[in-house]
Amino acid sequence: AQSVTQLGSHVSVSEGALVLLRCNYSSSVPPYLFWYVQYPNQGLQLLLKYTSAATLVKGINGFEAEFKKSETSFHLTKPSAHMSDAAEYFCALFSGGYNKLIFGAGTRLAVHP
Amino acid sequence: GAVVSQHPSRVICKSGTSVKIECRSLDFQATTMFWYRQFPKQSLMLMATSNEGSKATYEQGVEKDKFLINHASLTLSTLTVTSAHPEDSSFYICSARAAARETREQYFGPGTRLTVT
Repeated sequence: AQSVTQLGSHVSVSEGALVLLRCNYSSSVPPYLFWYVQYPNQGLQLLLKYTSAATLVKGINGFEAEFKKSETSFHLTKPSAHMSDAAEYFCALFSGGYNKLIFGAGTRLAVHP
Repeated sequence: GAVVSQHPSRVICKSGTSVKIECRSLDFQATTMFWYRQFPKQSLMLMATSNEGSKATYEQGVEKDKFLINHASLTLSTLTVTSAHPEDSSFYICSARAAARETREQYFGPGTRLTVT
């Protein structure tokens, strides 16, 4: 079965510090993986996606993620957090068998001065 | 590009009435649209998937007679919550997938906050 696990429902960092949000997946076929960001009372915005091309994927707002097949991971990073990065982040896996996205539970990122 | 809009952004209705939410893909054709429900501080729960011109496929546990979905064109899908009750209060988000893209990417609308009094 396909699934997505986000380790850490809450992550808190200082402004300027490294951001690391963890995502592990389970899939029997090569996955399509996504990171989305959600600001309060808004929909989801695509940060980046992995589609079997380069394993290091760069997205918007300075975020990037590295696909590691051996670790079944797709962790999201940003070298220096900004206050505006505070939001909910969702990792998602496309399930071809069910033709839908499978979401992780989400990680709430807090950035403090 | 790839913008999805929803209308209304907020709606308050009385218990027992019906409310319709529209989802539009503004600059692309969407063969598949999705409707999600999100409870506070939780992830998105897929309610149903609809393909243009055909009946929606509902997820297990979602009442199809209560949540009516219509996907009449390649740019418009509607969700009608019939005989709404306070427990239907939630944040509803639609999403659309472009026909021509192969990356399985979905574009999300800004969401609709439904409050049933």
